[in-house]
Amino acid sequence: SQTIHQWPATLVQPVGSPLSLECTVEGTSNPNLYWYRQAAGRGLQLLFYSVGIGQISSEVPQNLSASRPQDRQFILSSKKLLLSDSGFYLCASAKETTEAFFGQGTRLTVV
Amino acid sequence: RKEVEQDPGPFNVPEGATVAFNCTYSNSASQSFFWYRQDCRKEPKLLMSVYSSGNEDGRFTAQLNRASQYISLLIRDSKLSDSATYLCVVNSDSGYALNFGKGTSLLVTP
Repeated sequence: SQTIHQWPATLVQPVGSPLSLECTVEGTSNPNLYWYRQAAGRGLQLLFYSVGIGQISSEVPQNLSASRPQDRQFILSSKKLLLSDSGFYLCASAKETTEAFFGQGTRLTVV
Repeated sequence: RKEVEQDPGPFNVPEGATVAFNCTYSNSASQSFFWYRQDCRKEPKLLMSVYSSGNEDGRFTAQLNRASQYISLLIRDSKLSDSATYLCVVNSDSGYALNFGKGTSLLVTP
């Protein structure tokens, strides 16, 4: 099965600072990759998904961006963080529409 | 209308009880359906896929009703360890994006 590596596990960043979260996948090739955000006490919100290198679909307009420079690498970025960017960020990988495997998540607090 | 809707609960049930969750979806063309379990402050993990004919895994039974566009999860003989949030997942219009419901919270009490 797939293994999703996501880091860091916890991050505290000041408002206005940049962000870069990285996710790498093992155990599969050419997966669909996803970034989700879960605010405290809320559901999972799909932010971006990618079906291949350089192909990014944005589900929700915001000050975040995503990139997929390699087949099994997915990066979530921001140039300037907002307080509302705080949340639990999860990277997931799936082959076509089969089950998704998740990384352990990054808990981001913007202060 | 949101793509995937669930009753948020919480459902508080005693050990040994049977509990059922429903989930409705808006896209009639959706082909893939799943139930995930999420423990507090952890990543979601697959509980079971949902097949057209319905499927069972031990104490858990999942069913799909395409005509009414809902899926269900039945948990029999609830255990304390079943306490978690249960997420309904449906693939999107594009077929690639997996959309999660907001989850149903279950608390099993002694």
